[in-house]
This record gives sequence, structure tokens and C-alpha cells, in this order.
Amino acid sequence: EAGVTQFPSHSVIEKGQTVTLRCDPISGHDNLYWYRRVMGKEIKFLLHFVKESKQDESGMPNNRFLAERTGGTYSTLKVQPAELEDSGVYFCASSSPTPIQDNEQFFGPGTRLTVL
Amino acid sequence: AQSVTQPDIHITVSEGASLELRCNYSYGATPYLFWYVQSPGQGLQLLLKYFSGDTLVQGIKGFEAEFKRSQSSFNLRKPSVHWSDAAEYFCAVGLYSGGSNYKLTFGKGTLLTVNP
Repeated sequence: EAGVTQFPSHSVIEKGQTVTLRCDPISGHDNLYWYRRVMGKEIKFLLHFVKESKQDESGMPNNRFLAERTGGTYSTLKVQPAELEDSGVYFCASSSPTPIQDNEQFFGPGTRLTVL
Repeated sequence: AQSVTQPDIHITVSEGASLELRCNYSYGATPYLFWYVQSPGQGLQLLLKYFSGDTLVQGIKGFEAEFKRSQSSFNLRKPSVHWSDAAEYFCAVGLYSGGSNYKLTFGKGTLLTVNP
């Protein structure tokens, strides 16, 4: 069974440009999470999908970030326009349905975003 | 504010030596507790978790952790470290934040170097 995959693995863009990160969760996992780690800081929660619905987006930094999960399968996270402080590693995780606290969140390898 | 603290940013041990990585959390109730490991180029892998019951939990790769309620700690241990254990280790707590909103909150991580 394939794990969580993320694309691209690395992205280098200039300030003001747009970048779209993609996450493919494990098949059958209704829960999909995005996290971000800024250099030197802890991994922080961004948002949580249950199927195609945003369950919790309290961690999204601002309205330059837009996450979607059409059809409840893969998810995209778009940053537009990108700023320097958006640099970091973006992790995606998925888990199977309830009870969600009992289920392991499986993490992808992350996308390293560098904004110049 | 709720938080997870890993006081050691970087630890170096010799191969074969014992290891203890510290983790303290600050929450009102007993959270769900996790240790993850990230090897270079890999996603976060779950080592072990604690929900309830026996406070000493066994994980993969020979790791164990002990939950101590009185100290709000969940320290990770291994009796004999192998060179392949060199990686970054993250302590995390899972917490509901209202309704069905559930997320992981991470410490800043501890980078483990293993000397031959």
C-alpha cells in the first residue's frame, strides 16, 4: 500500500509568485491534515479535512493560503502571493476515520518551499 | 497556553549507549501522546503512542516511553542506540479543540547524532 505522497519535494520561487503543493493521502483515509515547519520552529498545524470538507482551518496563517480537497481524494495547498516568511517544510498527513485520536496520522515526506 | 517542550535541541551519543529524550507538555487534561521520528528525506514515522492504561509503552525499533502525570512528561528511551537511530525526534500531543476538531501539537524536535 502506497504511503502519503507529496509533490513537489522541493520548490524555489520568488516573492510574489504562486506555488501549489499537492498531497495524495493513503487510499481510504478520510482525514487529511496539512502542517508546516518553519526553520528552527516546531511543526504547526494548518488545517484538517474530513473528506472534502474543511473541518478545522484555524491554523492557516492568512488568506494567501488556500487549501482544497476536491472529491475527498488528493489535496492542494496554494500560496498566492508567496512571501519570504512562507518558506519552510509543508507536511501532509492522513488518517482513517473515527475515532480519529486512535488512528495514527501517516505523514508524507514534506515539500520544502523556499521563497526568495 | 498549551505547549509541548523538548528541551534538548541536539543530543550526541555513542553507538551502544543508552538514550533518553525529554518531552514535557502543558495541558489541563491528559492528552494523547506521541513520539515521531524523521530520518533524512523521509516523512515522520510514528514510534509509539500513549492514550491510557500502562504508563510504560513500547514502540518500534526498540524504543519505549514512560508517561509521568505528576511531571507532565513523556520521555523517550532506548537502552542501546544504533547508528541508524540518527534522526530528528518529535514529541507530539493530540488534542480536541472543540467538537470534532482534532490536531497534533509538536515540540521543536531533538536532533540525535550517533557517534561510531
